[in-house]
Formats: sequence, C-alpha cells, structure tokens
Amino acid sequence: AQTVTQSQPEMSVQEAETVTLSCTYDTSENNYYLFWYKQPPSRQMILVIRQEAYKQQNATENRFSVNFQKAAKSFSLKISDSQLGDTAMYFCAFMTYNTDKLIFGTGTRLQVFP
Amino acid sequence: DTAVSQTPKYLVTQMGNDKSIKCEQNLGHDTMYWYKQDSKKFLKIMFSYNNKELIINETVPNRFSPKSPDKAHLNLHINSLELGDSAVYFCASSREDERWGTGGSPLHFGNGTRLTVT
Repeated sequence: AQTVTQSQPEMSVQEAETVTLSCTYDTSENNYYLFWYKQPPSRQMILVIRQEAYKQQNATENRFSVNFQKAAKSFSLKISDSQLGDTAMYFCAFMTYNTDKLIFGTGTRLQVFP
Repeated sequence: DTAVSQTPKYLVTQMGNDKSIKCEQNLGHDTMYWYKQDSKKFLKIMFSYNNKELIINETVPNRFSPKSPDKAHLNLHINSLELGDSAVYFCASSREDERWGTGGSPLHFGNGTRLTVT
C-alpha cells in the first residue's frame, strides 16, 4: 500500500525568507504523480504544484518549487520569498498512474511571520 | 463562476439522524469524489464516480451512500449519524487530461462541509 509521510507537523518562517517542507512516500510503483496542496484557514484545498514521476526535471510554479528525488522517494516543497498569504496547512499527495485515488500525507502547518 | 460547490457549508445534527450533502461541479469534469478530513486534518478518500459509475469505494460504513444523478452532481447521504462522523467532507472533481493520461489530473475541491454530530 502506498503511504505518504510528512515529518514536520509545524513550521514557521519569516516573511521574504525561504522554507522547505519535507515529504516522503512509499510505493512499489514506477509511474505515479505527486502533488502539493495548500489549505488556508478558509478551508479551501488549493493545488500548489504537481510532478510526474517519470520526469527528472523538478517542477516549478513561480515562488514554489520541488526537489524530487525518485530513488529516495522524497518530494520536498520549497517556498521562496515567503508571504503572509502562504500561511496554511500544506499537504503532500500521491497518485498512482491509471488511478484517480489521491493519497494524502498528514500535513504541515506553515506559519509565516511578518 | 466555474467551481465545485457543495452545500451546506455547515451541518449540525443529532445522533441517529439522516442527512445529505450536495455537490455540483460546472467544470465539465468526468470524475467526482468525496473525501473526509478528520479532526487531525487527515484527508482520506471515500468514494469516486466517473460518469455516474462508482469507481472507488473505500472501506466506508454502508450508512454512507453516494448518489450521482448525472456527471455534474455527486451527493452524499448519511444514515443514522454517529458522533464519529463529525468531520469536514470535501467534494472534488477532475478530468482526464490527455497530457497526463488516466490519473494524474489534479483534483479541484469544493470548500468543504463541516458536519457536527451531537
């Protein structure tokens, strides 16, 4: 069974600084997808970034980038130039190829301080 | 606005009651889901439907019954509510993306329904 682990329950960062959120996963599959979702206090789930496992190039979306290490089964999220609006729960998620089942980690609560 | 919308936003009810949560998406997506987020913020899939057909049915008590009258709607009916059913329930949808193939399409979530059973 696939599992997703986020070992940092809480993180904090000062505005304009950089922070990295960790995520590891366990799977025997070779083809899969990885995602980071953000859940601000409004409760809405917002897609931040996604990565295809067969692509070696790390995905980037503006201030958000990932460090995907397939052999290590690691998928960390780096947030550059942190903003107050980045304060939220961040969930790492995994989806096997040819399924629609998204498996979530337990989340990391990120607080951005002014 | 194009979105996944679910109603009600909040639902407070007593044990033993039957309640429904409605979900509609106007994104033209083929697949819809129900996820449950518990008090520790853990999200877990309950059901998924593709074009009105049940695809995923996780180990969920049969008091929970999803109903999809058409591919734009997926409602969740819960019978004989229990205290442990208190949670936030999220509806979501996705479409098959030619670039990604089957699976891998990001899910678009509704804003959640906070169910409190007293």
